Amino acid sequence: QVQLVESGGGLVKPGGSLRLSCVASGFSSSDYYMTWIRQAPGEGLEWVSYISKDGKTIYYADSVKGRFTISRDNAKNSLFLDMSSLRVEDTAVYYCARDQVARAGDSFDLWGQGTKVTVSS
Amino acid sequence: EIQMTQSPSSLSAYVGGEVTITCRASQNIGDFYLNWYQQKPGRAPKLLIYASNRLESGVPSRISGSGSGTDYTLTITSLQPEDFATYYCQQSYTLPPTFGGGTKVDIK
Repeated sequence: QVQLVESGGGLVKPGGSLRLSCVASGFSSSDYYMTWIRQAPGEGLEWVSYISKDGKTIYYADSVKGRFTISRDNAKNSLFLDMSSLRVEDTAVYYCARDQVARAGDSFDLWGQGTKVTVSS
Repeated sequence: EIQMTQSPSSLSAYVGGEVTITCRASQNIGDFYLNWYQQKPGRAPKLLIYASNRLESGVPSRISGSGSGTDYTLTITSLQPEDFATYYCQQSYTLPPTFGGGTKVDIK
């Protein structure tokens, strides 16, 4: 079954750190760019970061630059998001998604179920 | 950063009816860099349309997309109960990818 499964969310205090993981199954994630997208409670979707197939090209949203680090382990079909200096406004459901860069539209065609991150004192 | 503006933000429609959602980009994003997603409460978004008008595999043909430049539309005909959800447009023309604010479609 082709799917993405995130884990690692939880409750953390402002200034704290958390590592999110996303494991792909049913396909080789090394064939795709991968992305993190988040959704604050009751809000819309916000792109966070993406990483190229070989991990050498990485981009971040300005809102997380310098605080979040995306990485991948292709041997384990896994994607990670290391989050530090967390702020209350980082509270959201975090989704990993497969990025169809090679196809017209460059869309996110497969999403995980999401993992919830709450930053609160 | 390209701003994506959806309208309306919400609408009500009957089962069997038709809805059209509009998405406007703050600058020209060409003909192939606009995607549409559906999201139901508590669920992840699902890709419906990519490259403005191409139907994702498995998506029913009553859903269609059109547009170019700055103006795009998503149309759903013969609305089914499973179509009541929130819809988002997204541009992939430049980084960062940005989403519209969403349009919630509920049952009248």
